[in-house]
Formats: sequence, structure tokens, C-alpha cells
Amino acid sequence: EAQVTQNPRYLITVTGKKLTVTCSQNMNHEYMSWYRQDPGLGLRQIYYSMNVEVTDKGDVPEGYKVSRKEKRNFPLILESPSPNQTSLYFCASSSRQGRNSPLHFGNGTRLTVT
Amino acid sequence: AQSVTQLDSQVPVFEEAPVELRCNYSSSVSVYLFWYVQYPNQGLQLLLKYLSGSTLVKGINGFEAEFNKSQTSFHLRKPSVHISDTAEYFCAVSDLTISNFGNEKLTFGTGTRLTIIP
Repeated sequence: EAQVTQNPRYLITVTGKKLTVTCSQNMNHEYMSWYRQDPGLGLRQIYYSMNVEVTDKGDVPEGYKVSRKEKRNFPLILESPSPNQTSLYFCASSSRQGRNSPLHFGNGTRLTVT
Repeated sequence: AQSVTQLDSQVPVFEEAPVELRCNYSSSVSVYLFWYVQYPNQGLQLLLKYLSGSTLVKGINGFEAEFNKSQTSFHLRKPSVHISDTAEYFCAVSDLTISNFGNEKLTFGTGTRLTIIP
């Protein structure tokens, strides 16, 4: 089954403790991206990657890092999480075959930073 | 830069009644338009998209949307809703500027929560 898999689904952590949220897709997609969803703000893009070893900032990159060493994986790293990073995070991927290719989303990771 | 406005944060509708979820956008360039649906505890799924051509776009689950360039709107409609349509609906735009080339970034609205009343 074609899918984007995020882990974990739920994560509670404390301020300053480094964490990684994993994202993996099995569709051989070139493009991957991370969004955060907050009430009243919709989804906002954090980082994106057009291919292996090619990443760039989205609209809200502060406090986050990403890497794209393999085509299928695009982990999101919070080196020193803070309470304002409490949010629902989504990973998405696309084949980038023109604008006809839709974004495929994972089921989300709900992060709470205390 | 583009933006998306979904004026209604919550819309309650009786089962089998029609529904319209409103979406307006602003952009100085041409855009592609999308509606996504988010069921509880799930990611977003594409309902429909407008890229070009006919302004009336049909999507999955009986939904359709009409692109109105003069009013910069892309309202979502369904003639008869079911309990299973209970979800949050997001309108999104993707602009065609050079600065966005290669980035499949979508700018999302704040979402409309559709509640179906039995």
C-alpha cells in the first residue's frame, strides 16, 4: 500500500531534550515536506526537500532541522524543543510530475513539549 | 505572497442537506487550487483540485468546487451530506511564481470543521 509513515504518533517531551520524528514514504517520491498544524493557523510549511541531499526552508523553519540522505526518508529534528513547538506535525510527499501530482500526507505526529 | 481565507471555522448541517464551504484566496499570480479533507486522527486527503480548464471541478465522495477568478473564490459544495462527511476541510493554493519553482508548497486556509447533524 502506498503510504507516508510517521513515527511516533504521539510524543511528550521536556524542554531542551533533543528529539527526532521519522518520516518514510514507499512511493519513490522525489519531493518531501514537513508541515505543522496549529488551531486557527492551518498548516504551515517547515522544510522541504526536492531530492536527496537537497533541502530548503519553508515558512517556519526556526528551531527545526531536516536531512535527506535517502530518497524514502525525511526526518524532522528538534535539537532543543521548546513549548511553542507543541503542535501537530505532518510529513508529505509528491512525485513532482508536474502540478498534477498531489501531496500525500502521513497520519501526523502530535508533539507536546512541557 | 498568496493567502487563503476560510471564513467559516465551523459549519453544522443536517444529514442529507446541501452544504457549501467557502474559500477565498488572494494572489498576484496564477494559482492552482485544492481542497483537502482531514478525518479525525488522520492525515489530509485530496478531495479535488483546479489546475486549468473547466471551472467546475468534481472530486471524490460527491464533492465539487467552482473556480471563480473574478471573485477569487473556490467554494466547495455537496448536494446531500452524510454522517461520514464529518471532518475538517482545508482549502489550499499553490502559486506559479519562479520563487516557488520546485517547491510543492501549499498555502492552507485555517480549515472549516463540518459537523453533520443526524
